Amino acid sequence: DADVTQTPRNRITKTGKRIMLECSQTKGHDRMYWYRQDPGLGLRLIYYSFDVKDINKGEISDGYSVSRQAQAKFSLSLESAIPNQTALYFCATSDPGTSGTEAFFGQGTRLTVV
Amino acid sequence: QQQVKQSPQSLIVQKGGISIINCAYENTAFDYFPWYQQFPGKGPALLIAIRPDVSEKKEGRFTISFNKSAKQFSLHIMDSQPGDSATYFCAASSWDSSYKLIFGSGTRLLVRP
Repeated sequence: DADVTQTPRNRITKTGKRIMLECSQTKGHDRMYWYRQDPGLGLRLIYYSFDVKDINKGEISDGYSVSRQAQAKFSLSLESAIPNQTALYFCATSDPGTSGTEAFFGQGTRLTVV
Repeated sequence: QQQVKQSPQSLIVQKGGISIINCAYENTAFDYFPWYQQFPGKGPALLIAIRPDVSEKKEGRFTISFNKSAKQFSLHIMDSQPGDSATYFCAASSWDSSYKLIFGSGTRLLVRP
């Protein structure tokens, strides 16, 4: 089983719909992240959480919200999806912050908003 | 505001050739510089990383060259193989980004047989 699991893997939704992307991890890491990948823009951080009671905005948080339900679970919601949120979304985890911390990524969720 | 600038956006290399991807940064507090490799349909995975106290790190066919004064680092793939075809991301982190990784824009590498 994958250490970082994202569901669903693919999703097509309509403009204005609410959608939730889920992430669970078995690595026992405190830190979890949601990234968005777009061609030519790389991986941009949407939200991150350093522990269950900690939620922080990343560089592109507008239009998104998150919930850290447990150490192992971190979900991303689009309250009212719009077409420019069509992208590949990745969840990642890492150990507590020290220099040289490796991030472990899930396999991604391809979201299409029509 | 892009803190880590990566080039080129795409790269085509013949099998056996050398692939070179470059990154530049501005924040002198960065103290960890990893490269991630991503195959289609997969998440990125750590390939190799370097700290600024050394100028070069080699792991097999993959080498990071680091130039602290120029604030640049690069990935060299020697004897490139079709199996190296992937997207490569450079990244950086430091205490003042709470050790979150700041990624470059990515380079799509295609190695032709």
